[in-house]
Amino acid sequence: NAGVTQTPKFRVLKTGQSMTLLCAQDMNHEYMYWYRQDPGMGLRLIHYSVGEGTTAKGEVPDGYNVSRLKKQNFLLGLESAAPSQTSVYFCASSYGLAGTKIDTQYFGPGTRLTVL
Amino acid sequence: GENVEQHPSTLSVQEGDSAVIKCTYSDSASNYFPWYKQELGKRPQLIIDIRSNVGEKKDQRIAVTLNKTAKHFSLHITETQPEDSAVYFCAASRGTGTASKLTFGTGTRLQVTL
Repeated sequence: NAGVTQTPKFRVLKTGQSMTLLCAQDMNHEYMYWYRQDPGMGLRLIHYSVGEGTTAKGEVPDGYNVSRLKKQNFLLGLESAAPSQTSVYFCASSYGLAGTKIDTQYFGPGTRLTVL
Repeated sequence: GENVEQHPSTLSVQEGDSAVIKCTYSDSASNYFPWYKQELGKRPQLIIDIRSNVGEKKDQRIAVTLNKTAKHFSLHITETQPEDSAVYFCAASRGTGTASKLTFGTGTRLQVTL
């Protein structure tokens, strides 16, 4: 049981390049989330999904797109990377259904992205 | 939307002393309040959480208190140890579905000195 995994762990992009970050979970969770973490600003929600085929905007969605084609995967895309998107990106997931731990979010190990 | 404020931003205590971190929230409909610990270079991990129908919850050296009227909640760590050194985040959410999204505080860096 790997929990929540993220690919890649590190990436350096040039301004204007595109890339996709992959999040995968093997806990059969309904809900998945993408956050970015910047110094002094905590974790800010980018986009999230409450089920396969659904997505919704979070606090800072501009410049990002997401897709949830399979329940276990949640992809975060940057179409045209900008230096302001330099950050550590965390994926998380939670059950989302009735249960004793419906709200607990489990985080992946993070992806450190640098945009030059 | 929800706004969560967290204080202090840094906290230094001696080993064995207690540490208290405080958070306030703005949305009176919020009903779930987790606390996460993040060690350097690692992922955030849940250490304790509390729901709005409970005023206090304790787990060994860690406790959380919630005052819904004042819209604030606090993390208490007793008998601190060097391994408690980390960044701690509070968060709040309104529940399930599209309301399940967490709003985080900006974090408290706790340093436990020998």
